[in-house]
Amino acid sequence: GAGVSQSPSNKVTEKGKDVELRCDPISGHTALYWYRQSLGQGLEFLIYFQGNSAPDKSGLPSDRFSAERTGGSVSTLTIQRTQQEDSAVYLCASSLVYNQPQHFGDGTRLSIL
Amino acid sequence: ELKVEQNPLFLSMQEGKNYTIYCNYSTTSDRLYWYRQDPGKSLESLFVLLSNGAVKQEGRLMASLDTKARLSTLHITAAVHDLSATYFCAVDIPGGTASKLTFGTGTRLQVTL
Repeated sequence: GAGVSQSPSNKVTEKGKDVELRCDPISGHTALYWYRQSLGQGLEFLIYFQGNSAPDKSGLPSDRFSAERTGGSVSTLTIQRTQQEDSAVYLCASSLVYNQPQHFGDGTRLSIL
Repeated sequence: ELKVEQNPLFLSMQEGKNYTIYCNYSTTSDRLYWYRQDPGKSLESLFVLLSNGAVKQEGRLMASLDTKARLSTLHITAAVHDLSATYFCAVDIPGGTASKLTFGTGTRLQVTL
């Protein structure tokens, strides 16, 4: 597609449930990133994938968060046993190579009741 | 830990006026990015600054980078209403295989008619 695609655009779930967020990067982009945007914390880095290298998971806030990238393309961010503080907009971005601007998707707005 | 600070946090200005947004960061880096975010929308890349003294201009916006001072500026010339948005700077710490951005708090710009 022309841009980074994320689904769903909105997700409302009950506390304690697991959620999966999907990101389809721009075709040919080797780097894929996840960020979280919330009122209290601003924009925070979560994880990135670059080619075949091991992902950098240093931004994941707890072991309830995990992500995978299959076939070097689509990525899924999974949050287990969701908590209310997980409520945020989760943004995915991709870039062609290192030092190139990251192109962001429209995000998934996650609300935990 | 890298800290990125922007000021002001909120800026209300009249059309036709000039102003500068400042972005300070705490750790040596020569990779700085500026993004724009409209309400309810995702992030749009504006500028990529990759060296000391780099200056980029697009329309009424001009960004510069002083790596020695750890400072970037985003200058707005003769503001127009369409520039109303939130502007973020983001800094990348080199050393990884991809760009792990630390974002500033954002500057919400409101241009009044």
